[in-house]
Amino acid sequence: KNEVEQSPQNLTAQEGEFITINCSYSVGISALHWLQQHPGGGIVSLFMLSSGKKKHGRLIATINIQEKHSSLHITASHPRDSAVYICAVRSRIQGAQKLVFGQGTRLTINP
Amino acid sequence: DTAVSQTPKYLVTQMGNDKSIKCEQNLGHDTMYWYKQDSKKFLKIMFSYNNKELIINETVPNRFSPKSPDKAHLNLHINSLELGDSAVYFCASSQLVDSYNEQFFGPGTRLTVL
Repeated sequence: KNEVEQSPQNLTAQEGEFITINCSYSVGISALHWLQQHPGGGIVSLFMLSSGKKKHGRLIATINIQEKHSSLHITASHPRDSAVYICAVRSRIQGAQKLVFGQGTRLTINP
Repeated sequence: DTAVSQTPKYLVTQMGNDKSIKCEQNLGHDTMYWYKQDSKKFLKIMFSYNNKELIINETVPNRFSPKSPDKAHLNLHINSLELGDSAVYFCASSQLVDSYNEQFFGPGTRLTVL
């Protein structure tokens, strides 16, 4: 079992819908990242958080350290939000800080 | 200005060849990384360098050797390429500040071994 699990693996929705992507992890972490990988392959960091909630435009990320769970929400989704969203946790493994990645959630927003 | 750049973007080569991928960052970061993304789009860390010193070395074949001539560059050299090495390789950098360091990714290098 992967240390970082995302759900769903694939998500298709209509433009305007509210989107939620979940991430659960099983290791102790110092921070959690949400990344977006565009269809062209480029990876962009959306959020880095260690507690509470962060908001950027239509994107909201929350984390519950006790439950080892994070969610990424997209309000008023748009076709340009179509991408793979990757959760990654920063954990100290064998003395070094490392990013451990989830398998990604492929989001498709239809017009 | 490109923050993290990789060359080449695409690399097609024959099995058994030796090839290098270059990475440069102009963000002044102390730490650089190499990640491999397989055909299932799963990202895994391969190496991490901090101030030109290797700090993470995952279980990758000895055929993969990172080289950091200075803290702005982290190159990946691969000897005796195998079919299974076909993947997209991402370089990234971050400024290691306590536990919090946002990573900036390069555009990726798609390696195809024939």
